Amino acid sequence: KQEVTQIPAALSVPEGENLVLNCSFTDSAIYNLQWFRQDPGKGLTSLLLIQSSQREQTSGRLNASLDKSSGRSTLYIAASQPGDSATYLCAARSSGGYNKLIFGAGTRLAVHP
Amino acid sequence: NAGVMQNPRHLVRRRGQEARLRCSPMKGHSHVYWYRQLPEEGLKFMVYLQKENIIDESGMPKERFSAEFPKEGPSILRIQQVVRGDSAAYFCASSPPSINYGYTFGSGTRLTVV
Repeated sequence: KQEVTQIPAALSVPEGENLVLNCSFTDSAIYNLQWFRQDPGKGLTSLLLIQSSQREQTSGRLNASLDKSSGRSTLYIAASQPGDSATYLCAARSSGGYNKLIFGAGTRLAVHP
Repeated sequence: NAGVMQNPRHLVRRRGQEARLRCSPMKGHSHVYWYRQLPEEGLKFMVYLQKENIIDESGMPKERFSAEFPKEGPSILRIQQVVRGDSAAYFCASSPPSINYGYTFGSGTRLTVV
């Protein structure tokens, strides 16, 4: 059974810092891993999708890496801005369990000016 | 190309009433997933459907909850005889048949049971 854990649960940083959010998963037999952003009271916005054959994906100031063998993914945010404040969720799509996405509890990020 | 459409955005029901949540997947997406997010908690899988078939309902409570995805029309998540503990945000996602694509989520339906 796939379990996804995110560390830290919450993070508060000053504007301009580079950040690393961590995600670990127990079952390395995944098809892909997806990072999402959720603003308070809103839906989920997909940020990056990494296939199991890939090591990383980049979009603007965001870079996500994947290490299947160790069951870890990291989301790197460069030069953080107040507008980055949100909850960041990672989700793993396992090869078992009908391929559904399993979510971590999220990292709540606050970037203050 | 419209995204995943969920309605209503907000739904208030009295205890004992029925709640019906609708989800129209993205064009070209034949797989639909429902998730529930309780206050201050993560997203929990409920059910995975394809047209006219329930593929995996392992996350759905055995009683009072049901889901369908008919040949025509949106997917429906139905909660009968709602209780206060059903108050949550319900999110629908869709994906193409290929596992190489990610999920696209709707904006959710926030159910409040009074």
